[in-house]
Amino acid sequence: GQQVMQIPQYQHVQEGEDFTTYCNSSTTLSNIQWYKQRPGGHPVFLIQLVKSGEVKKQKRLTFQFGEAKKNSSLHITATQTTDVGTYFCAEAQGGSEKLVFGKGTKLTVNP
Amino acid sequence: DGGITQSPKYLFRKEGQNVTLSCEQNLNHDAMYWYRQDPGQGLRLIYYSQIVNDFQKGDIAEGYSVSREKKESFPLTVTSAQKNPTAFYLCASRLADTQYFGPGTRLTVL
Repeated sequence: GQQVMQIPQYQHVQEGEDFTTYCNSSTTLSNIQWYKQRPGGHPVFLIQLVKSGEVKKQKRLTFQFGEAKKNSSLHITATQTTDVGTYFCAEAQGGSEKLVFGKGTKLTVNP
Repeated sequence: DGGITQSPKYLFRKEGQNVTLSCEQNLNHDAMYWYRQDPGQGLRLIYYSQIVNDFQKGDIAEGYSVSREKKESFPLTVTSAQKNPTAFYLCASRLADTQYFGPGTRLTVL
């Protein structure tokens, strides 16, 4: 199956700065999901995007799906220490039978 | 309380021993999954099951085995054939497009 490439692998910010992680695919994605994994924890579903150009917001988090459905981004405005963790994108393939994950972006926030 | 449980949280085994990781869910989900997570590697799919008494290999099934005799349970056996078994193992179940993860088991093979 196709892979989703996620960048950057690591990001360190000062509290209050913005943060963005990107997912890219060489082929059209049927959908994109985002998960957050806190240090020592397990991935937790954040959101799913399905439509071309879709933008969804959850408080300080903004999720976008590209017009060509080949890329997606997660943007956090004014990071807080509670945002620390690894953010994964994933595509549900095979009629949602399987998730293919990006390698994740590990975010650390300096208070 | 509904959810997915994995036990134990930490597990230590000697090289050459088989070990079985437990995964139980009371969410009434049909589909269940096992992933392996290594630093910088993201989540890699080991095995998955869409329904009782059926399962499929994922991307890294070699050295692992599973069973799905009950809807609630999907145990994973890490066999001695797995060359590098030390990792964080995550179990998940699925409802529609969303996967729900258990707390994970950190396996260390000495």
